[in-house]
Amino acid sequence: QTVVTQEPSFSVSPGGTVTLTCGLSSGSVSTSYYPSWYQQTPGQAPRTLIYSTNTRSSGVPDRFSGSILGNKAALTITGAQADDESDYYCVLYMGNGIWVFGGGTKLTVL
Amino acid sequence: EVQLLDSGGGLVQPGGSLRLSCAASGFTFSNYAMNWVRQAPGKGLEWVSAISGSGGSTYYADSVKGRFTISRDNSKNTLYLQMNSLRVEDTAVYYCAKGATTRPREGFDYWGQGTLVTVSS
Repeated sequence: QTVVTQEPSFSVSPGGTVTLTCGLSSGSVSTSYYPSWYQQTPGQAPRTLIYSTNTRSSGVPDRFSGSILGNKAALTITGAQADDESDYYCVLYMGNGIWVFGGGTKLTVL
Repeated sequence: EVQLLDSGGGLVQPGGSLRLSCAASGFTFSNYAMNWVRQAPGKGLEWVSAISGSGGSTYYADSVKGRFTISRDNSKNTLYLQMNSLRVEDTAVYYCAKGATTRPREGFDYWGQGTLVTVSS
């Protein structure tokens, strides 16, 4: 059973830059996994930030960017703001129509 | 404007059944794969099921295979999830999510507001 890994928590200072990652328990993440990233605040539906590795969803500011860094997918937030404090989830396409989410990263801005 | 409206959640006993719906508008529904994603209380997101734009292909997470059935009515722009043999561990908010592009592998873009399913005796 393949597990998608994310940092459980991360903190960033206001105005700072943070990179969250999305890996595999076995193997490397590549663009073939079509990694995508979602932001969620408590009690709200997820909001799509990035799909297909690095395509920003409609209305998402360009301080959010997606990439492959080494053997993981990455979400970089530049110029962090207070309202970026959220949970962030990645999901990977495993083939045969199957998707697997990571456990999420709780981002604190302080 | 793309809108997805989830409905059909509620309280059901273990072993019972429930059908969720997701009414879509603002895009050509039949061109996009659709998905169901759930979130148990205090937990992370879990992909549940997907269906191709035509409805001809369906996919399930192992945790629901054989118990849940995804379907769609493209004439009504509506996605469904029939949930049978429900278990306590199926308790979650269920979200429908639209494929980001006409290519099903490229992730999701728009999400419904979610509907809560509670399985309890």
